[in-house]
Amino acid sequence: GAVVSQHPSWVICKSGTSVKIECRSLDFQATTMFWYRQFPKQSLMLMATSNEGSKATYEQGVEKDKFLINHASLTLSTLTVTSAHPEDSSFYICSARSWGTSYEQYFGPGTRLTVT
Amino acid sequence: RKEVEQDPGPFNVPEGATVAFNCTYSNSASQSFFWYRQDCRKEPKLLMSVYSSGNEDGRFTAQLNRASQYISLLIRDSKLSDSATYLCVVNHNTGNQFYFGTGTSLTVIP
Repeated sequence: GAVVSQHPSWVICKSGTSVKIECRSLDFQATTMFWYRQFPKQSLMLMATSNEGSKATYEQGVEKDKFLINHASLTLSTLTVTSAHPEDSSFYICSARSWGTSYEQYFGPGTRLTVT
Repeated sequence: RKEVEQDPGPFNVPEGATVAFNCTYSNSASQSFFWYRQDCRKEPKLLMSVYSSGNEDGRFTAQLNRASQYISLLIRDSKLSDSATYLCVVNHNTGNQFYFGTGTSLTVIP
C-alpha cells in the first residue's frame, strides 16, 4: 500500500517556540494532504486540507496564522505550529490522497507534540 | 447531528467470537465508506473500503445499507491481535471531505 512518513515522530518544545512537522508521500504523488489532530481518547479532528500549489483550507475554529500549512510539492506538506502553547500538545497526523478516483487516504505515523 | 456516529463501546469479546459494529451517517450524498483500524498511539490504517454490494476480506465483512444510512463491520473468529479502535469514515461526493466517527473500541480476551 501507499506509504506516508512524518517527521519528527515526537517533539518537545518550550512555550512560545515554533515547531515544523513534515509529511511525505514516499511512493505516490499526493494531490491532497490532510492534517488532523487527535487528543487522548478522542477521534481525529480535521484541521485543514491542502492541495499542492494552493492555499490550505482550514476547518472552522482552526487558526490559519497559528497552524501554517505549506504543500509545495506533490510529495511534501508541512505544518508549522507557531508560538506553541501547552494546549497545542497533541498527536498530529497527516494523511495523503493520490491521483485518481480512489478516495482512500493513507496516514502518516503521527507526530506527538508536547509543549512545556 | 454528527456526520458519522459510532457506538464507542468498549466491546470485550472472547477469542473466537464474532463481533459486529455499526456506524450511521447523516448525509445521504455520501459516496465512499471506509473502515480504519487504529491501535493505541498509532496512526489509523485502512482496513477495508465498503462497497455497495458488500465485501469480504478474510475474517472481515463490510456491508453498506444506503436506505438506512449505515455501514457495518463484522469480524469473525476474533483474534487477540484484533484488539484496536475501529473508525468509520465517510466521504462526500466532493472527494475531499472525510468524516470520522469517534471509533469503537474492541478488546479480544484470551
